[in-house]
Amino acid sequence: EAGVTQSPTHLIKTRGQQATLRCSPISGHTSVYWYQQALGLGLQFLLWYDEGEERNRGNFPPRFSGRQFPNYSSELNVNALELEDSALYLCASSLVPSGNHNEQFFGPGTRLTVL
Amino acid sequence: DQQVKQNSPSLSVQEGRISILNCDYTNSMFDYFLWYKKYPAEGPTFLISISSIKDKNEDGRFTVFLNKSAKHLSLHIVPSQPGDSAVYFCAAFHYNTGKLIFGQGTTLQVKP
Repeated sequence: EAGVTQSPTHLIKTRGQQATLRCSPISGHTSVYWYQQALGLGLQFLLWYDEGEERNRGNFPPRFSGRQFPNYSSELNVNALELEDSALYLCASSLVPSGNHNEQFFGPGTRLTVL
Repeated sequence: DQQVKQNSPSLSVQEGRISILNCDYTNSMFDYFLWYKKYPAEGPTFLISISSIKDKNEDGRFTVFLNKSAKHLSLHIVPSQPGDSAVYFCAAFHYNTGKLIFGQGTTLQVKP
């Protein structure tokens, strides 16, 4: 069974540009989560999508947005990039949004560098 | 507002000995606590979890203990193996929000 996949692996952008990151969940998983891991920090929750709807978002500005497609894959868009947006962006998926222990399976991440 | 804290950034133990990783939290409403392990260039992988209504869960070499009164949980790995060397994240989960709140991580090094 294929795990969570993310693309691209690395992304280099300049300040003010837009970045689009993609995620494909494990087959059968309907919930997709996005996390940011900036240098020296833990994973910070960004967004949760389930059945195409945004269910929750973390404490990030509106220029962080995303969507979930009918096939449950997801995009994370970051507009007007700032230097501090440089981080590892991790996508995770789970079978049910409020399962017994909500085991989220993570992808390998996209390393975004903003110059 | 750091709701989940791992105060030890690193831990070094000898192969065969016990590794104890600690985690503290502030919100008594969390429903589940989880431990994830992360190798460089990979996403975190789930290790073990514990419901907020339990105080211990064991899976092979891994045991998680939950002390609700102290708002503290710990992960015990025994015996430790060199392959256990990784970053370990403690995470807390609340059904209503669907999100995992992670600690900062503890880097474990198991020396042969």
